Amino acid sequence: AQSVTQLGSHVSVSEGALVLLRCNYSSSVPPYLFWYVQYPNQGLQLLLKYTSAATLVKGINGFEAEFKKSETSFHLTKPSAHMSDAAEYFCAVSFTGNQFYFGTGTSLTVIP
Amino acid sequence: DAMVIQNPRYQVTQFGKPVTLSCSQTLNHNVMYWYQQKSSQAPKLLFHYYDKDFNNEADTPDNFQSRRPNTSFCFLDIRSPGLGDAAMYLCATSSRDRGYEQYFGPGTRLTVT
Repeated sequence: AQSVTQLGSHVSVSEGALVLLRCNYSSSVPPYLFWYVQYPNQGLQLLLKYTSAATLVKGINGFEAEFKKSETSFHLTKPSAHMSDAAEYFCAVSFTGNQFYFGTGTSLTVIP
Repeated sequence: DAMVIQNPRYQVTQFGKPVTLSCSQTLNHNVMYWYQQKSSQAPKLLFHYYDKDFNNEADTPDNFQSRRPNTSFCFLDIRSPGLGDAAMYLCATSSRDRGYEQYFGPGTRLTVT
């Protein structure tokens, strides 16, 4: 079965600290991988995606993620958290390009 | 700007009264999706259209139907809403030409009274 797991449903960091949100997928075939952010009462916004090019992917708002095939991981990082980063973050995988599987989400709190 | 538009943003309906949510896109993407998202949960795919081909998820209740009259528009019909159908409904589009990343609309929050 193909799935994606986000470890930690809630993550709190201090403003200016490193943000690390974890995502692991289960598949023998490297998928397309995505990170989305969702603010309250809004749709999902794409932060970045991996589509078999460079393993280190840079996205918007200073976020980046590294695809590690050996660990089947695609963790999201940001060197310095900002208050505006507080939101829900979803990792998603796609194998066919038509169907997407979302993780359960990680709620990020930024402490002033 | 090219975008995914959902109307209305907030919809209140009565228990058992049919309701239709709409989605339109100016991106000319060939794939359109409908997701249901309940509070503090991940979006759950209900169905998607690949061009005109309709693809229903196995666990999508029969109470939910969809129509895609043309490339730009897609509708979600809930024939007899129950209290458990109260949720945010998200429309998304994607295209093989754009690496299949999904573009989401702002969502319609459905309340069932």
